[in-house]
Order: sequence, then C-alpha cells, then structure tokens
Amino acid sequence: EIVLTQSPGTLSLSPGEGATLSCRASQSVSSSYLAWYQQKPGQAPRLLIYGASSRATGIPDRFSGSGSGTDFTLTISRLEPEDFAVFYCQQYGGSPYTFGQGTKLEIK
Amino acid sequence: EVQLVESGGGLVQPGRSLRLSCTASGFTFGDYAMSWVRQAPGKGLEWVGFIRSKAYGETTEYAASVKGRFTISRDDSKSIAYLQMNSLKTEDTAVYYCTRGSPVGQYFQHWGQGTLVTVSS
Repeated sequence: EIVLTQSPGTLSLSPGEGATLSCRASQSVSSSYLAWYQQKPGQAPRLLIYGASSRATGIPDRFSGSGSGTDFTLTISRLEPEDFAVFYCQQYGGSPYTFGQGTKLEIK
Repeated sequence: EVQLVESGGGLVQPGRSLRLSCTASGFTFGDYAMSWVRQAPGKGLEWVGFIRSKAYGETTEYAASVKGRFTISRDDSKSIAYLQMNSLKTEDTAVYYCTRGSPVGQYFQHWGQGTLVTVSS
C-alpha cells in the first residue's frame, strides 16, 4: 500500500498570499496518477487536479499541481477567501487508492 | 448533469449488517467504475473499494480495513451501486460517499452528498 504524507498539517495564510502544499508518497506513484481535492465543512470533496498537473473542469488557474515519482505539490497563487479549506491528495496508480491525511489551510 | 444519490445510512448495532445504495443519473452508468469513500467524524478521507464496469468483468477491490466484511455490487439496469456492509464495527462509523471514476483512472470528479452510518450499541 502506498502511504501518502501531506505537509504541513495546518497552513495559516492571508488572502492574497500564495500557498504551497506537499504530498509525499512512500513509493513511486505510477504514471503520476495523483489527484488533489478541496473539502469545505459539511460538503463533499471537490476535485482540483488529476494526473498530478491537469486542472479539473471549472477549477481556476490559480490552482496548479506539479511533481512526479514520490513528491507532489499543490500551489495556490493569490489566495481568495473561498480557498480556505482542507486539501487531500490521492494516488490512483494502484489499489488500494489511498488518500493523504489532509492539510488544513486556514485564514491567518 | 451527473448526479449520485446515496441512501440507506442510519444507526446500526455492532456486528449487524447494512446495505447502502447509490443511485446514479446523467451518464451511462454501465460504462464507469464506481467507488465508495468514507470519512469518519472529524477525520480524513478513506477509500473503501470499487467495482469495475461490466467490460472489465465487474471485478472489485477493497481496502484492507473492510476486505472480507464489505461487498460492492452493481445493477446497471437500475443505475445503482451497492455497498453491503457486514460485521460492522464502531470504527466503521462514517459518512459514506459514492463516487464515479473517470475513463482513464480512479480519481473522482463526481461525488454524492454522502450518507451517515453510525455503528453503536
């Protein structure tokens, strides 16, 4: 099983700032099959990024993903108030399709 | 518009069984793998398992935490996916989401609203 470790656990930033979230895998993720999700309280997760760097439909271009192998990054440039939430990475290169433990992005 | 609606959640005693349903609309259900993801109260997301489409033999895979206790099935004629949960434990308490995979991989563009399962005596 591939274990995904996200860092930091909590990130405190102000609107307008940039955010960098990390997701590290315990072994190489096949074909960069890595996705990122955003979840707000009481809501289902929303897909942001798939294939490590492809934005999902309707996702603003201030969200970008990068990385390969075992190290992946979600970058949010110019944070908007609605961006503050919990973010999860997920690998789908091989079953079981594991999630990271999440990074909480909070308003400073 | 793709819609996924879960039902069947509720309060159940440890050791008992429960079956969740996911009714899909807005796409050709039979063409897609379907997954279940759960989230314990205040915790992160946990992939539970999935069922491939008929074209791939409707084979299933599960997380180690539920393997042997949970079974995923599908009825393409009704556009419904099921999660049969047996020998339930208190640690199975969670919101259970139904999700649809993409044609090129099991990442989840579409999610249901979730249904809460509480396992308690």
